[in-house]
Amino acid sequence: GAVVSQHPSRVICKSGTSVKIECRSLDFQATTMFWYRQFPKQSLMLMATSNEGSKATYEQGVEKDKFLINHASLTLSTLTVTSAHPEDSSFYICSARLPLGSGSGANVLTFGAGSRLTVL
Amino acid sequence: KQEVTQIPAALSVPEGENLVLNCSFTDSAIYNLQWFRQDPGKGLTSLLLIQSSQREQTSGRLNASLDKSSGRSTLYIAASQPGDSATYLCAVHNTNAGKSTFGDGTTLTVKP
Repeated sequence: GAVVSQHPSRVICKSGTSVKIECRSLDFQATTMFWYRQFPKQSLMLMATSNEGSKATYEQGVEKDKFLINHASLTLSTLTVTSAHPEDSSFYICSARLPLGSGSGANVLTFGAGSRLTVL
Repeated sequence: KQEVTQIPAALSVPEGENLVLNCSFTDSAIYNLQWFRQDPGKGLTSLLLIQSSQREQTSGRLNASLDKSSGRSTLYIAASQPGDSATYLCAVHNTNAGKSTFGDGTTLTVKP
């Protein structure tokens, strides 16, 4: 089945550094990927929609200069948290929309395992 | 704006019980609805997907129903087991090109 791989699964960094998280579709091409953020005991909040070959679409309230998204190929989207601060500590999850004709119908999302960021 | 509500927020049952988790949404114009399981500190595992034209889907001990007109979905778990303990999330995939709205989840504890 369609698999989305996220790396790293855990990262600890010092305040002020930048952290890159990768989201890869392993056996399918994903023109669209989504990045979510999840605070403890809360649900997923969509941060941005990543579009291959074009700029990401950010949700209201998400700083695009803080959370840089690059979707340079059909199988890879990256999220870079720039100048990270402790308040950026969170669980970040990506998802990709399965292509039409994959057998599961339209608009089916498959998720990565998530990346836990801790900023000291 | 789509809003998704899950009730109850937490549920504790003894092993072997059948249980129902509820999900309601405000905008019935959806593509489909997906139920996920999330273990503590982990990512999401898809359990069931119901297309907007369907009324229910079954997988093993799980059965999910969808009533678009009333904006409701239920996840039925039969003969619950301690391994079912997790947070269950309902996600509504809106018509707007793949955007999803998640509920806050129901945290299930099944006691041996």
